[in-house]
Amino acid sequence: QVQLVQSGAEVKTPGASVKISCKASGYTFTSYTLHWVRQAPGQGLEWMGWINCGNGNTRYSQKFQGRVTFTRDTSASTAYMELSSLRSEDTALYYCARCFYHYDSNNYYCVAMGVWGQGTTVTVSS
Amino acid sequence: EFVLTQSPATLSLSPGERATLSCRASQSVGSYLAWYQQKPGQAPRLLIYDASNRATGIPARFSGSGSGTDFTLTISSLEPEDFAVYYCQQRSDGLTFGGGTKVEIK
Repeated sequence: QVQLVQSGAEVKTPGASVKISCKASGYTFTSYTLHWVRQAPGQGLEWMGWINCGNGNTRYSQKFQGRVTFTRDTSASTAYMELSSLRSEDTALYYCARCFYHYDSNNYYCVAMGVWGQGTTVTVSS
Repeated sequence: EFVLTQSPATLSLSPGERATLSCRASQSVGSYLAWYQQKPGQAPRLLIYDASNRATGIPARFSGSGSGTDFTLTISSLEPEDFAVYYCQQRSDGLTFGGGTKVEIK
């Protein structure tokens, strides 16, 4: 079945970087775009951006531009999210989520996030 | 930047009752609005996309409506498993989530 399995919890000090992985299985990795979303403790969802796992194109939320990098390894069906210059406010649960496509007018559109990883907790503390 | 405002923040209802959740956008998002359900300790689950289309496997008691700036998620008759937090999300320009509505047992 379609699955996204993320790497384990991370504890980082302020100013450090973190790199989280999201391994896909059960589908053709390069045919889908993956989003990254985070959720601070007790808070709502915050979109960080997406990566097209086929051509590697990315789009980042303005809030994270310059501090976040999405990459992928097609041979390993794995996407990565690296966040630098960590601060305490970056303490959150980070999710990868696969596009849910809808077919309309002879084309497929990414209309939502259909399959989610289990989340990776990142704690930033001195 | 798009802002999505969800109301109420908390909805206290009993099983069997009808739930009506609102999502208002700061500017028109057309029909590019989705709804998600999130239970404690779980990842969100897609319920509705493009304002009114149920995702695969979503029960018919969930329905979405609206366009432009005002959207509604309706749960026609609450089941025990429906008590959760619900988020709306727009994709008209970038991607933004609303702050969420918690549906709790009265």
